[in-house]
Amino acid sequence: NAGVMQNPRHLVRRRGQEARLRCSPVKGHSHVYWYRQLPEEGLKFMVYLQKENIIDESGMPKERFSAEFPKEGPSILRIQQVVRGDSAAYFCASSRDRERNYGYTFGSGTRLTVV
Amino acid sequence: DAKTTQPNSMESNEEEPVHLPCNHSTISGTDYIHWYRQLPSQGPEYVIHGLTSNVNNRMASLAIAEDRKSSTLILHRATLRDAAVYYCILRSAQKLVFGQGTRLTINP
Repeated sequence: NAGVMQNPRHLVRRRGQEARLRCSPVKGHSHVYWYRQLPEEGLKFMVYLQKENIIDESGMPKERFSAEFPKEGPSILRIQQVVRGDSAAYFCASSRDRERNYGYTFGSGTRLTVV
Repeated sequence: DAKTTQPNSMESNEEEPVHLPCNHSTISGTDYIHWYRQLPSQGPEYVIHGLTSNVNNRMASLAIAEDRKSSTLILHRATLRDAAVYYCILRSAQKLVFGQGTRLTINP
């Protein structure tokens, strides 16, 4: 069983470019969550998606950030016009069900560096 | 989500048991207690969770107080690979809300 696959592992972008981070959940998991971890800080929730739906985007910055989880293919976190402050590790997690009795499986993350 | 309180850091020796405490005095009756850990440069890893009864799995044990206002994660025999930040989380809603966790250092 493959776990949550995130790619790329490392991404370098110049200021003003776009960053696309991909996340393939565990097979059979239909719930995806994105978290951001700034250097030396804790994990902050960004967005929760189910197939084709955004359920909770309360942690997403209002501008430049968007996320999708299409019917087919991986979930994508998109950051437009990146700035230095976007440099962070971005983690994706998936779960089988929305019930609280299930744990999340996290990927290894994408480390974004904006230069 | 209800708040949890954990010590910022703890230290233990290799091959000794480790007890990681977590206070959650505002826990509601339907909150599950989840523990995750994050090793350096890796994503968080699920450790264990429980509701009312103590739980055991291959990684750890979870001891839950009778009033559910606190819990303890027990690593029975720590190894150097257990050095990580351990997060205690109350799961009431769909999303997990991480606090600062406890940074566990294991001495050889």
